[in-house]
Amino acid sequence: GESVGLHLPTLSVQEGDNSIINCAYSNSASDYFIWYKQESGKGPQFIIDIRSNMDKRQGQRVTVLLNKTVKHLSLQIAATQPGDSAVYFCAENEGGSEKLVFGKGTKLTVNP
Amino acid sequence: NAGVMQNPRHLVRRRGQEARLRCSPMKGHSHVYWYRQLPEEGLKFMVYLQKENIIDESGMPKERFSAEFPKEGPSILRIQQVVRGDSAAYFCASSGDRSYYEQYFGPGTRLTVT
Repeated sequence: GESVGLHLPTLSVQEGDNSIINCAYSNSASDYFIWYKQESGKGPQFIIDIRSNMDKRQGQRVTVLLNKTVKHLSLQIAATQPGDSAVYFCAENEGGSEKLVFGKGTKLTVNP
Repeated sequence: NAGVMQNPRHLVRRRGQEARLRCSPMKGHSHVYWYRQLPEEGLKFMVYLQKENIIDESGMPKERFSAEFPKEGPSILRIQQVVRGDSAAYFCASSGDRSYYEQYFGPGTRLTVT
């Protein structure tokens, strides 16, 4: 089965709120994790990445947290905007390889 | 446009025909990956190529599917004798030598088999 999965398939938030999207992975040998955003009809767009030697990384309005103890990854989006509405995928480099394994995705809907 | 380019964006084929999907990586990138996405699902790895070499094809179906990345020109994913189950979005990604994992995706080719 998949080694990367998500807890919630959908998430609905109000504009301006913070969003948290979660992801679980099972391959402890994976050492690189990425969050992608995919809008309808488009390819995945790189958002932020994190290596296994880190537990937190911040970008512009986004933060990724990595908890290797429980094999959990999360994406936090601050002050969520309507343009953030999309499907968000986490991905890991399977067992340290160049192959990315994707979770099923969480659909984020931002209500005005 | 310095991003990953794919064409065609949409492709319709009848059962039994061949489908050819093309991918031009980002400028300066020499690593190409192909992924397939079924509706409402995540992307599934198919194959990883460098110029003139197939590095990992563990996700490719054993029959009818092939990929190449010639010295000159785009990477090609070829599907022979397409069946309805091949209908999906096919995405190409590329990465540079410094970071194999930092993969940037193209807009995809949506294949419909009728």
